[in-house]
Amino acid sequence: NAGVTQTPKFRILKIGQSMTLQCAQDMNHNYMYWYRQDPGMGLKLIYYSVGAGITDKGEVPNGYNVSRSTTEDFPLRLELAAPSQTSVYFCASSHQTGNQPQHFGDGTRLSIL
Amino acid sequence: AQTVTQSQPEMSVQEAETVTLSCTYDTSESDYYLFWYKQPPSRQMILVIRQEAYKQQNATENRFSVNFQKAAKSFSLKISDSQLGDAAMYFCAYRNYGGSQGNLIFGKGTKLSVKP
Repeated sequence: NAGVTQTPKFRILKIGQSMTLQCAQDMNHNYMYWYRQDPGMGLKLIYYSVGAGITDKGEVPNGYNVSRSTTEDFPLRLELAAPSQTSVYFCASSHQTGNQPQHFGDGTRLSIL
Repeated sequence: AQTVTQSQPEMSVQEAETVTLSCTYDTSESDYYLFWYKQPPSRQMILVIRQEAYKQQNATENRFSVNFQKAAKSFSLKISDSQLGDAAMYFCAYRNYGGSQGNLIFGKGTKLSVKP
């Protein structure tokens, strides 16, 4: 199993550009999450989804949008990229909540210049 | 809102020795879950160990064990017989028992170095 796959692994954007970070999981998990990790910090929740067609904001949603048209895919859209969005982005999924572990992708390092 | 605090930005241990990483958290909930994740330089997030708050017995996974003190809201990680491959960032994380989100709330992490 591939688990959680994120693309791209690295990207440099110019201020004001837009892009989509892709996330796909092949474990048939209902729950999917996008986190961002700033230097020296833990991960913070951007958006989450409890199933296809259902998404909601996390702690730091401003400047981002998501969609969940299928169980497998959960793309994160950056509109009008800003330097403050320079970060490492992680996608994660889990079958249920509770003590079920979240499976993480390898992350996308994004720089906005 | 729940918070997780890791008060040790960096720790160092000699190979084969034991080290303890500290974590405290704040919550008004009585049921919840706690996790330790390891993040090596490869950037992967790897689950090390998990603990259910309703269980009094401390979780163990091979060389990794926790000291869970519910009243003190403390959840420390002990690594025994440290190995070079244990060098990484370690994140403590909290998750509510119920609710629709199921997201993890992370501390800022502790960078562990292992000296040969």
